[in-house]
Amino acid sequence: GESVGLHLPTLSVQEGDNSIINCAYSNSASDYFIWYKQESGKGPQFIIDIRSNMDKRQGQRVTVLLNKTVKHLSLQIAATQPGDSAVYFCAAPYSSASKIIFGSGTRLSIRP
Amino acid sequence: GAVVSQHPSWVICKSGTSVKIECRSLDFQATTMFWYRQFPKQSLMLMATSNEGSKATYEQGVEKDKFLINHASLTLSTLTVTSAHPEDSSFYICSARDPTSGQETQYFGPGTRLLVL
Repeated sequence: GESVGLHLPTLSVQEGDNSIINCAYSNSASDYFIWYKQESGKGPQFIIDIRSNMDKRQGQRVTVLLNKTVKHLSLQIAATQPGDSAVYFCAAPYSSASKIIFGSGTRLSIRP
Repeated sequence: GAVVSQHPSWVICKSGTSVKIECRSLDFQATTMFWYRQFPKQSLMLMATSNEGSKATYEQGVEKDKFLINHASLTLSTLTVTSAHPEDSSFYICSARDPTSGQETQYFGPGTRLLVL
């Protein structure tokens, strides 16, 4: 079946450093990917998305890179701040119903 | 834009009672909404797809008679957990697509924490 998953369940970075969260997907037909951030006790929050006709997209302090050859995408957070502490999910809609399958998340923690 | 709300934010109920959770799209009309549940330290598990004006589509393993979904308007979907039991205690989250956005992005509500005693 379809799968989307992150490589590491946890990631600890020094405040001010850049964070890189990686994700792999299995369906080569996937053409749209989304990154969500979920803080404790809250619903997921949309961060950034990317379509398969792009290999890079930048937002405010975040960059998503897509490598379709190896079916891998990453989320880069520049100058990581305490407010970035959360669980990050990559997600890919599938089927005509646009259902999203969530992979396992990566919990990002920030060291002062 | 693309704000989704849920009510209540948390609920405690006795075993055997039913609980209704509302999901509203505040600034757009959503023909499709989705219901998820999330256990502690786990990912979101899709329960069902709620379609306005028609029956919901349930994921495999989700009991449709236990988790009743109604999507009576373009801005409201409800999830009723019938005869709740302690194992139904979880974090329930809804999401909605904005069909006018041209994207498949789902916007999530803040979640409803259910505790069944």
